[in-house]
Formats: sequence, structure tokens, C-alpha cells
Amino acid sequence: AQSVTQLDSHVSVSEGTPVLLRCNYSSSYSPSLFWYVQHPNKGLQLLLKYTSAATLVKGINGFEAEFKKSETSFHLTKPSAHMSDAAEYFCARGGSNTGKLIFGQGTTLQVKP
Amino acid sequence: DTEVTQTPKHLVMGMTNKKSLKCEQHMGHRAMYWYKQKAKKPPELMFVYSYEKLSINESVPSRFSPECPNSSLLNLHLHALQPEDSALYLCASSHPWGELFFGEGSRLTVL
Repeated sequence: AQSVTQLDSHVSVSEGTPVLLRCNYSSSYSPSLFWYVQHPNKGLQLLLKYTSAATLVKGINGFEAEFKKSETSFHLTKPSAHMSDAAEYFCARGGSNTGKLIFGQGTTLQVKP
Repeated sequence: DTEVTQTPKHLVMGMTNKKSLKCEQHMGHRAMYWYKQKAKKPPELMFVYSYEKLSINESVPSRFSPECPNSSLLNLHLHALQPEDSALYLCASSHPWGELFFGEGSRLTVL
């Protein structure tokens, strides 16, 4: 079955330090992959997407992610965390032959001053 | 600012009420979605409309009734809901099989 696994339910970093949010997917092919961010009481905002072009994908707000087929991973990184990055982050993949997104369970990012 | 607009932002209803959630997009997308999200959980797909036709119904109870009047509008009609239906309801749109753009959601409380 197709699935997305976010390896950490909660990540805490200090402001100005790097962020790493981990995501693994299961698939027999290279799927479309996405990272979304959700601030409290808001909808989901697309940070970046991978659709079989460059394996290093740059997104908004300084985030980027690297697609590694050999590791079936799509980890999200940012060099320097800001307080405003504190939110819930969801990794998702496109379902085969459908418009259905398969979401990971989410990672809560806490940024300490 | 989101380009998918949802109204109302908050809704409180009793179990015997009938209400509707509305969603509008003007990005020319031909796929529209309803998701339900409980606190600290990922969104759960409810319905997908593709070219104004219902293409996916994730076994949602009949007390939820979707409607897609045209390519820009999506409604979710609510009737005889249960307290456990209280959640954030998210609308999204996309080009078919493209990335989804979400609205800010309608927070529903069922008393």
C-alpha cells in the first residue's frame, strides 16, 4: 500500500538553528511529493513540490527538500529557523491515477527563542 | 492570501439543523475537494469533484452531501450531524492531479 511516514511527531529547535523534518514514502515508482505547512486555525499552504524534475527542490520561506529515490526519502530542511516557522508540517504524496493526496501524520515544529 | 475562499469561517449547529459550507476558487482549476481535519491529525479526504462530476466519495455518511454547481463553486450540505462531526472542514482545488491549493477552512462545532 502507498504510504507516507513522517519520522518525528515533534521537532524542537532554537531560533537561528537548522531545521530538518523527515519524510519517507513507499512506492514502486517515483511519485509526486509535497510539503505543506499549517499554522494554527489556518488551512494548508504548499511549501514545495517534487514532480520528477530536479531532485533538490526549493520552496517558499527558505525551505528546500531533497528527493532521494534510493532512500525513498523527501526530507525538508531550512538553514535557519524563525519563530514564524512554528507550525504543523505535512508531507504528502500523489496517489496513482487519482487526485487523492496521501498525507503523513504530521510533524509539529517548535521554535524556541 | 489564499485563492480558495471558504465561508463561513466558524459554524455552530445543533444536531437537527441543516446548514451548508461554501467554497469558491477562481484559479481555473477543474478539480475540487472536501477534507475533514481533526485536531493534530492530517486532513482526511471526503469527496473529489473532477470537471463538476463527483469522482471520489470516501464512504462518507449521507448526512454530508456535496454539490458542485459550477467549476468555481463547491458546497457541502450538512444535516443531522453528530457531535463527532465537529472538525475543521477544508476545501481545496487543483488542476487534475496537480498540487492542491487549500482554503482556510470552516470550523464546525456540532452541539
